[in-house]
Amino acid sequence: DAGVIQSPRHEVTEMGQEVTLRCKPISGHNSLFWYRQTMMRGLELLIYFNNNVPIDDSGMPEDRFSAKMPNASFSTLKIQPSEPRDSAVYFCASRDGGGYTFGSGTRLTVV
Amino acid sequence: KNEVEQSPQNLTAQEGEFITINCSYSVGISALHWLQQHPGGGIVSLFMLSSGKKKHGRLIATINIQEKHSSLHITASHPRDSAVYICAVRVVGSSGDKLTFGTGTRLAVRP
Repeated sequence: DAGVIQSPRHEVTEMGQEVTLRCKPISGHNSLFWYRQTMMRGLELLIYFNNNVPIDDSGMPEDRFSAKMPNASFSTLKIQPSEPRDSAVYFCASRDGGGYTFGSGTRLTVV
Repeated sequence: KNEVEQSPQNLTAQEGEFITINCSYSVGISALHWLQQHPGGGIVSLFMLSSGKKKHGRLIATINIQEKHSSLHITASHPRDSAVYICAVRVVGSSGDKLTFGTGTRLAVRP
């Protein structure tokens, strides 16, 4: 298995633009998580899905953030409109009841 | 006060030394995870613990539920162990799989 695959690895965008981050979890893992990591706040859970259904989105900062999981093999995290304070590394992870497998992350810079 | 506290924040060791990283938490938990984040940014799940002790190679993780404390030990440390080690707990009563993270311990092992 190729692990959890995230794209893009790096994204630089201008303030106000829409940003879409993508994640392909490990096949057979029924839980998918989106995390954000910043120097100031460390790792924070944004949202997680169980069997493609959003379970807890209390970590989503505001309405500019949205996440979808249309099927078991794909999820997106969208920021519209983006702001400089959204600059961070965004990690996707999946889990099958045991430990977590993390993707390599997407480093987002909003200028 | 953070629900998950790690110590030390930074640690420098000589190759071959025995290393201990501590994690204390203030809430009831159902599981505790140790994660490793390498300088390149990737995150690897090392252990998931709910009681006792686990060992994988030179890494040993222990947890004392009564004292709300876990330790990660590295025996015969090596420069390739240089990374940030993050403790995360699954809080009892939180929705499903939500993890609360410590701020991490930055380890540098000198040759």
